[in-house]
Amino acid sequence: AQSVTQPDIHITVSEGASLELRCNYSYGATPYLFWYVQSPGQGLQLLLKYFSGDTLVQGIKGFEAEFKRSQSSFNLRKPSVHWSDAAEYFCAVPISSGSARQLTFGSGTQLTVLP
Amino acid sequence: DAGITQSPRHKVTETGTPVTLRCHQTENHRYMYWYRQDPGHGLRLIHYSYGVKDTDKGEVSDGYSVSRSKTEDFLLTLESATSSQTSVYFCAIRNEQFFGPGTRLTVL
Repeated sequence: AQSVTQPDIHITVSEGASLELRCNYSYGATPYLFWYVQSPGQGLQLLLKYFSGDTLVQGIKGFEAEFKRSQSSFNLRKPSVHWSDAAEYFCAVPISSGSARQLTFGSGTQLTVLP
Repeated sequence: DAGITQSPRHKVTETGTPVTLRCHQTENHRYMYWYRQDPGHGLRLIHYSYGVKDTDKGEVSDGYSVSRSKTEDFLLTLESATSSQTSVYFCAIRNEQFFGPGTRLTVL
C-alpha cells in the first residue's frame, strides 16, 4: 500500500540555519506528494506539491522540496530558518480508493527553532 | 484563504452522548473530507464526500457517520461518543488543499 514515512519526530535548529525535513514514500508509480505545515492550534496549510515534471518544487514561505525517485524521497528544505517556522510539518501522498483520491499522511516532524 | 469554517471549535461531552460537528464551505467544491488528528498518527481520514448525498468511508470510519445534504455543508456525527474519539477533527476541501481550523473534541 502507498505510504509515507517521516523518520524524524522532532528536529531542532537555530534561527538562520538551514533545514531539511525528510520524507520517504512507498509507491508503485510516480507519486503525487505534498508537504503541509501546521502551526500550534491551527489547521494545515499546503506548502507545496509535486505532480510531475521538474523534480525541484518551490513552495510558499521560502520552502522547496526535491523529488528523488532513486531514494524514494521528497525532502523539504529551507536555506535559512526563521523563528516563525516553528511548527509541525507533514508529508502526504494521495491514494486512489473508493470514489475519490484520499491523502495518507506521515506522522509529522515537529520543528523547534532556537534564537 | 479558502472559506472553510468548522463548528463548534471546542466541545466537551460525556461518553454515550451523540455529537455532530459541522464543516461549512463557501467555495462550492465538490469534494469534502473529515480527518482526525492524534499524536503520533498524523491525520487519518474518517469519511469523505464526492457530492451531495455521495459519501464514502475512510481509514478510521468505525463509530462515525456523515451526511451531506447540500454542497456547502458536511456533517460528522458520533452516534454514541467514546473516550477513544477524543481528538482534533479537521475538515478539508478541494482534494485536501485547504483545511478548516479544526474542532477539539473531548469525550469524558
